[in-house]
Amino acid sequence: SQKIEQNSEALNIQEGKTATLTCNYTNYSPAYLQWYRQDPGRGPVFLLLIRENEKEKRKERLKVTFDTTLKQSLFHITASQPADSATYLCALAGSSASKIIFGSGTRLSIRP
Amino acid sequence: GAVVSQHPSWVICKSGTSVKIECRSLDFQATTMFWYRQFPKQSLMLMATSNEGSKATYEQGVEKDKFLINHASLTLSTLTVTSAHPEDSSFYICSAPSDRANTGELFFGEGSRLTVL
Repeated sequence: SQKIEQNSEALNIQEGKTATLTCNYTNYSPAYLQWYRQDPGRGPVFLLLIRENEKEKRKERLKVTFDTTLKQSLFHITASQPADSATYLCALAGSSASKIIFGSGTRLSIRP
Repeated sequence: GAVVSQHPSWVICKSGTSVKIECRSLDFQATTMFWYRQFPKQSLMLMATSNEGSKATYEQGVEKDKFLINHASLTLSTLTVTSAHPEDSSFYICSAPSDRANTGELFFGEGSRLTVL
């Protein structure tokens, strides 16, 4: 069955450092992969999307890589700030975009 | 930007009663909306896909008679939890796909926390 793993339930790093979150998947060939941010008690907010034919995508302090051979995506936040503390969800979608599957998320804490 | 509004944000009800949750797309039309359920520290579990003008598509293991979905217009989908029981207590979130072609971006509502006593 299709499976998405975000290998760290929680990640705690020092402010200013780069946070790197990992998303691995099996039994799936997504057309694209997305990253969302979710704050406690709130709905997720879309951050970035990367397509299967793209290796890397950047947006301000965010960078996403997508390796379809390794079936892995890395999500980086550079110059991390306490305001970046949240749960980050990885999501996969097929070409039809009719169903998006979410990972369980990584809870990121940035300490001052 | 596009916004999805969900109401109520929280509700407490007695066991056996029914609860309706509304999901509205505020500045765009959504022929499809998705309903998710989320338990603490767990991922979003897709419950059903709501389709405007037709029946919802339910995921395996989700009781359609328990979770009634109606997509009455291009901007409104409702989820009714019928005869609610304590095990139905959860965080329910709706989403609608962006109307920009092929972006796959989902706009989520703020979620509704249901507590069944």
